[in-house]
Amino acid sequence: GAGVSQTPSNKVTEKGKYVELRCDPISGHTALYWYRQSLGQGPEFLIYFQGTGAADDSGLPNDRFFAVRPEGSVSTLKIQRTERGDSAVYLCASSPQRGAGYEQFFGPGTRLTVL
Amino acid sequence: GQNIDQPTEMTATEGAIVQINCTYQTSGFNGLFWYQQHAGEAPTFLSYNVLDGLEEKGRFSSFLSRSKGYSYLLLKELQMKDSASYLCAVRDGSSNTGKLIFGQGTTLQVKP
Repeated sequence: GAGVSQTPSNKVTEKGKYVELRCDPISGHTALYWYRQSLGQGPEFLIYFQGTGAADDSGLPNDRFFAVRPEGSVSTLKIQRTERGDSAVYLCASSPQRGAGYEQFFGPGTRLTVL
Repeated sequence: GQNIDQPTEMTATEGAIVQINCTYQTSGFNGLFWYQQHAGEAPTFLSYNVLDGLEEKGRFSSFLSRSKGYSYLLLKELQMKDSASYLCAVRDGSSNTGKLIFGQGTTLQVKP
């Protein structure tokens, strides 16, 4: 079956602009995670959805970042007034459940470049 | 606080064995994962340990000691395609979200 997909694969924008990054999880996976990976670093947690609700948004760096998952499937990460420091690869992962033993399946990521 | 340490880079020879270490200090623990990530690609799952001991899976094995906050990934019969970044990640046990806390990754270069 299909894996996690993310669009766009690359996004170049100018400082101050608004961007949306989309994640299509594996069908039937209730848990969805967003991570951010800077060059040479491991992924850093941003936000977790269980179903439609954001159960943990403690990793969002500030209020310019927001994410939704209105129907419990596709999720969109929204970044307002982008800054150069937002440049990174944004990874989405899904899991059948959040419980112990369930691996997270990662998408290929969206590489965001803020000029 | 949360801290996961692994070496930044390692080099090994094709056909050899390499061990990548990971130490962690986290406020909670609910399992440890190893992921492989080729440049520009998604991390892919390699192994999962929640109890102490060794888990073997083909050419890859992973070990966990919870009392020492220590894990290693062992790769045998190295192949050129094993050149990648290897990510150690602890599943957060202090919350009920299952989020992963990653180390910085170890870039492994396999030479002929």
